[in-house]
Amino acid sequence: QVTLKESGPGMLQPSKTLSLTCSFSGFSLSTSGMVVSWIRQPSGKSLEWLAAIDWDGDKYYNPSLKSRLTVSKDTSNTQVFLKITSVDTADTATYYCALSIPFAYWGQGTLVTVSS
Amino acid sequence: DVLMTQTPVSLPVSLGGQVSISCRSSQSLVHSDGNTYLHWYLQKPGQSPQLLIYRVSNRFSGVPDRFSGSGSGTDFTLKISRVEPEDLGVYYCLQSTHFPYTFGAGTKLELK
Repeated sequence: QVTLKESGPGMLQPSKTLSLTCSFSGFSLSTSGMVVSWIRQPSGKSLEWLAAIDWDGDKYYNPSLKSRLTVSKDTSNTQVFLKITSVDTADTATYYCALSIPFAYWGQGTLVTVSS
Repeated sequence: DVLMTQTPVSLPVSLGGQVSISCRSSQSLVHSDGNTYLHWYLQKPGQSPQLLIYRVSNRFSGVPDRFSGSGSGTDFTLKISRVEPEDLGVYYCLQSTHFPYTFGAGTKLELK
């Protein structure tokens, strides 16, 4: 059974760095073809794809945010991380991680609020 | 970026009825490998999105055959027949042919 779960700080101040973790089970990110993506959704709005990392360690970023994003994975291939630098109120959203493309399995999401 | 335009924004429906949602892209979604990477999701209130249809017309595991997808190039449609209460929520289309992947703005299916 595939499960994903996001975790994050809940709230942070503008200009800080947001660090998110996606912990998963039921698959191995070292398996050929596997990809984990990060997607976010401001309250009441649509979805925005942010970044992805694949089984080979290749990374993909949304150009609109690329300079601020870093996606990585742990050596045991059970967690994926996302860092967003210099956050501001526009980064307030629910952040999801999802498996494969199309995004067949999603985590429950973690709400991040950027506020002073 | 590829702009995905969904219509309508809101779609009132009676239980048991049939509805269609349109998704149009600003450029062709036919990939160089010949596949078309257009997918449909449903987000129920308070939940994460769930995959319904992948690559235009393929139902994901466990998705009832009341849901069907069609289309080609830049014009795609999701049809839902015999609408049930659990079908209510916001429907999104997604293209993964071109980077960055982009979603439509959503269509809210609600009871009349």
